[in-house]
Amino acid sequence: GAVVSQHPSWVICKSGTSVKIECRSLDFQATTMFWYRQFPKQSLMLMATSNEGSKATYEQGVEKDKFLINHASLTLSTLTVTSAHPEDSSFYICSARTGGRQYNEQFFGPGTRLTVL
Amino acid sequence: QKEVEQNSGPLSVPEGAIASLNCTYSDRGSQSFFWYRQYSGKSPELIMSIYSNGDKEDGRFTAQLNKASQYVSLLIRDSQPSDSATYLCAVTGNQFYFGTGTSLTVIP
Repeated sequence: GAVVSQHPSWVICKSGTSVKIECRSLDFQATTMFWYRQFPKQSLMLMATSNEGSKATYEQGVEKDKFLINHASLTLSTLTVTSAHPEDSSFYICSARTGGRQYNEQFFGPGTRLTVL
Repeated sequence: QKEVEQNSGPLSVPEGAIASLNCTYSDRGSQSFFWYRQYSGKSPELIMSIYSNGDKEDGRFTAQLNKASQYVSLLIRDSQPSDSATYLCAVTGNQFYFGTGTSLTVIP
């Protein structure tokens, strides 16, 4: 199957700092990448959809100025959590989708666990 | 009405039994259907995809799709303790929708 990597796998930062998370599709070109957040024992929550070369589409209630998404190439998308606060502590997961109807699966990265002190 | 609905469980089955997981969806135009497995603290892993009505088998897993009833299911035969996880149903049409997941526990 397709491989998606994320870096870092975990990060601890002080309140008020910014954190960048990278998502890469290693063996395929991803026209679309997704960013999710998951709190303990809760379901995945889609934060935004990012298409290469265009602005990300954010879900309702997600602050686009706080969660900056850049999808600069077909294999890389980044999520920057700006001025992080303890309530931003969560498990952030990216996924990438291949194109075409038959190959419409989403493949997930391993996730990044963010702890804001 | 949610786009994709799953029974949250928890579902418990004894080792060796068949686990049956169910999912319904609201968009009749949906074209692709997926089952993901998520272990606690890990990200989801794609285990099955199905695109046409009927059954699709892969090892101990069988996905079943009934578009007329807007229903997709996952059967796990000979359930093992290592199958204990949350199973997410996902459906795509114009957008990609996940269900909230069903928690499965296989009891040794």
